[in-house]
Amino acid sequence: QSALTQPPSVSGSPGQSVTISCTGTSSDVGSYNRVSWYQQPPGTAPKLMIYEVSNRPSGVPDRFSGSKSGNTASLTISGLQAEDEADYYCSLYTSSSTVVFGGGTKLTVL
Amino acid sequence: QVQLVESGGGVVQPGGSLRLSCAASGFTFSSYGMHWVRQAPGKGLEWVAFIRYDGSNKYYADSVKGRFTISRDNSKNTLYLQMNSLRAEDTAVYYCAKLYCSSTSCYAGAFDIWGQGTMVTVSS
Repeated sequence: QSALTQPPSVSGSPGQSVTISCTGTSSDVGSYNRVSWYQQPPGTAPKLMIYEVSNRPSGVPDRFSGSKSGNTASLTISGLQAEDEADYYCSLYTSSSTVVFGGGTKLTVL
Repeated sequence: QVQLVESGGGVVQPGGSLRLSCAASGFTFSSYGMHWVRQAPGKGLEWVAFIRYDGSNKYYADSVKGRFTISRDNSKNTLYLQMNSLRAEDTAVYYCAKLYCSSTSCYAGAFDIWGQGTMVTVSS
């Protein structure tokens, strides 16, 4: 199972929106909805932000939203805040009951 | 509160062994599948292994299959990772993570509670 492809970095100004993509293939992202997104500020453990493509656990602000089109899942953060600066990872639960992560995207809030 | 605390990390020589532990508290440990995820210094996340709530099934990343063994003791609320034949590329922070479940369903591949991590360094 190959890693999912994410852009190494994205940036945006406070108040703006940014979108982070997570690209797989028709055999993984394109076929399954078990895509999750995690936020990891420096020096901390990851935090679950989105599960099953577009669902937010309780406590996650609605500024964070997820979607999928074809073989690409996306995380959109609207109304950017300084506290959103972190690394973001997508993951996929595969048909083999394993998990694969994307390479991670560093979000910089300008 | 809901908490996972890893222990057992350290420095080990190539070819050596180490056993990591993850102590759970604040939730019914025996009801949840559990994962190990690692992160090499300055690198991204890598999934390592998963064990079902009752230990009936275990799954591994290809990079650790045959060398690592995940297990659990529900009577002690503890998850384990036995690591043998360690290599330099196994150097990483190792996190344990709990499978996310709502009141109605569990969501495969989603981890809602993570420990603080324990560092494993494989070096001569």
